Amino acid sequence: TQLLEQSPQFLSIQEGENLTVYCNSSSVFSSLQWYRQEPGEGPVLLVTVVTGGEVKKLKRLTFQFGDARKDSSLHITAAQTGDTGLYLCAASGGSQGNLIFGKGTKLSVKP
Amino acid sequence: KAGVTQTPRYLIKTRGQQVTLSCSPISGHRSVSWYQQTPGQGLQFLFEYFSETQRNKGNFPGRFSGRQFSNSRSEMNVSTLELGDSALYLCASSYVAGGFYNEQFFGPGTRLTVL
Repeated sequence: TQLLEQSPQFLSIQEGENLTVYCNSSSVFSSLQWYRQEPGEGPVLLVTVVTGGEVKKLKRLTFQFGDARKDSSLHITAAQTGDTGLYLCAASGGSQGNLIFGKGTKLSVKP
Repeated sequence: KAGVTQTPRYLIKTRGQQVTLSCSPISGHRSVSWYQQTPGQGLQFLFEYFSETQRNKGNFPGRFSGRQFSNSRSEMNVSTLELGDSALYLCASSYVAGGFYNEQFFGPGTRLTVL
């Protein structure tokens, strides 16, 4: 079974701080996605990374795909309260090619 | 373009009952996937439908079933509800099934509580 391990599980920081969350696996993936989910809502796609070593930026969010395409990180610079939510990584890896998800990092940014 | 819609948003049922949840995908999307989300297990894949055919199925008991209509709208049914079925049920649509990127667009979910 291919698994995506996310760390840390929980993160509580003050507004203005920087943070990094990780998504790791022993499997190689053709692509990996990051989603953010707010309470009471469904996950929203933030980015898809495809190439090993790829770095993508979305305003204050920086996403990196590992060289071996087994891991990824999400770095947030100068976190804001609006960044609060559950961050999920996902990749196509199920036995039938379906999307599998990590359990997520629950981020709380306090004012 | 309207997003994925799910009805109802909240549902309370008792053990032994059955429930049907509905999902309308983004216009033009032909693939619909269903997921169960719980605090302990996270997001788990239930099944995927494409062009009215079940394409993939996750590791859930036969009490969980689904179908897709010709307009791509999908329903999932859970029979003989158990307490452990309490969860957020999410529907996601995509333009094609699988695909290289397999990017999916989620609805807000149906919160099911089984008493």
